[in-house]
Amino acid sequence: GAVVSQHPSRVICKSGTSVKIECRSLDFQATTMFWYRQFPKQSLMLMATSNEGSKATYEQGVEKDKFLINHASLTLSTLTVTSAHPEDSSFYICSARWGSGANVLTFGAGSRLTVL
Amino acid sequence: AQTVTQSQPEMSVQEAETVTLSCTYDTSENNYYLFWYKQPPSRQMILVIRQEAYKQQNATENRFSVNFQKAAKSFSLKISDSQLGDTAMYFCAFPSCGANSKLTFGKGITLSVRP
Repeated sequence: GAVVSQHPSRVICKSGTSVKIECRSLDFQATTMFWYRQFPKQSLMLMATSNEGSKATYEQGVEKDKFLINHASLTLSTLTVTSAHPEDSSFYICSARWGSGANVLTFGAGSRLTVL
Repeated sequence: AQTVTQSQPEMSVQEAETVTLSCTYDTSENNYYLFWYKQPPSRQMILVIRQEAYKQQNATENRFSVNFQKAAKSFSLKISDSQLGDTAMYFCAFPSCGANSKLTFGKGITLSVRP
């Protein structure tokens, strides 16, 4: 089946540093990937849609200069949190669409970012 | 724009019993899919079941089934013979249309299965 690998699963960063999270589709090609943010006991909040070979589409209120998305290949999308601050601490999840028609998403295992 | 509403934040059920999780949505589209996702404590999102709106038959996956009422825009999930491993957050989700369609999630419901 379709598998999405997301790394790192956990990361702790100092305030002011940048951190990159990778999302890979292991056995299928994903022209579109999605990045979500989730606070404890809340739903997933879509941050941006990552499109292979073009600029990401950001949701309203999401700072594109803060959350850099690169989708350089059909199997890899990266989210870079630049100049991280404690308020960026959160759980970040990526997903990729596979198959045609059904719009089924396969999710990565998520990345817990803690900014000290 | 599509909206998804899950009005129950928490539910609890005794092991081996049946529980129904509610979801309503709003859309002007006629053909679409609906999904239920499960997020256990590991936080890995897992697809539980999906329903195609143009199919009148309710989807079933083992102990999971849906009650899809298209006219009422209702899409509830029934879990039969609840197991401890069913303890999780459950999200109802509705995809928008278009080349870069995206899923709109409900707020989720925390289900606890009691031994």
